Amino acid sequence: AQSVTQLGSHVSVSEGALVLLRCNYSSSVPPYLFWYVQYPNQGLQLLLKYTSAATLVKGINGFEAEFKKSETSFHLTKPSAHMSDAAEYFCAVGPSSASKIIFGSGTRLSIRP
Amino acid sequence: GAGVSQSPSNKVTEKGKDVELRCDPISGHTALYWYRQSLGQGLEFLIYFQGNSAPDKSGLPSDRFSAERTGGSVSTLTIQRTQQEDSAVYLCASSLSTSSYGEQFFGPGTRLTVL
Repeated sequence: AQSVTQLGSHVSVSEGALVLLRCNYSSSVPPYLFWYVQYPNQGLQLLLKYTSAATLVKGINGFEAEFKKSETSFHLTKPSAHMSDAAEYFCAVGPSSASKIIFGSGTRLSIRP
Repeated sequence: GAGVSQSPSNKVTEKGKDVELRCDPISGHTALYWYRQSLGQGLEFLIYFQGNSAPDKSGLPSDRFSAERTGGSVSTLTIQRTQQEDSAVYLCASSLSTSSYGEQFFGPGTRLTVL
């Protein structure tokens, strides 16, 4: 069975500060991991994905995530927050078949001016 | 447009009524997924279609929920005898293939409100 836990339903950072959104997963098989972003009143958009290649994955809009097997984590980071980064972020884990991607409960990111 | 489209964008219905939600996937995408997003919750997998294979219905919460995909393209999610707990945003996504771990492209969703 697989599961994913996102720590913190709401994170608030100042503009220009580091963004860190936490995701821990549980998987009995090598996982495939994803981060999606959802802007208000829109569908989800893929930010980045880990599929057993490089452990540091770079995505769009300056985001990146590092796969750490020993910590079963896939935290999302961005060095300097932008006002436009305010959105809901979802971590997801998939098995060998992407038909059963399991999504976390989401983290709402707010950016303070 | 080239993206996944869903209709209607908003649907308000009375308890006990049936509703149909429509999804138009990206042309050529063989896999189609339905998810439910309740307030403050993550995405709940409902059903998945892949080509001509039998759909994976393991996520449907009750027998009031059903879905079909005609001609390998458009999909309709039907909820019969709606209940207030069915109120949520219903998201559709499509991808090229499940075996390639391809990106899922999401539609904007249908917000369902059951009064």
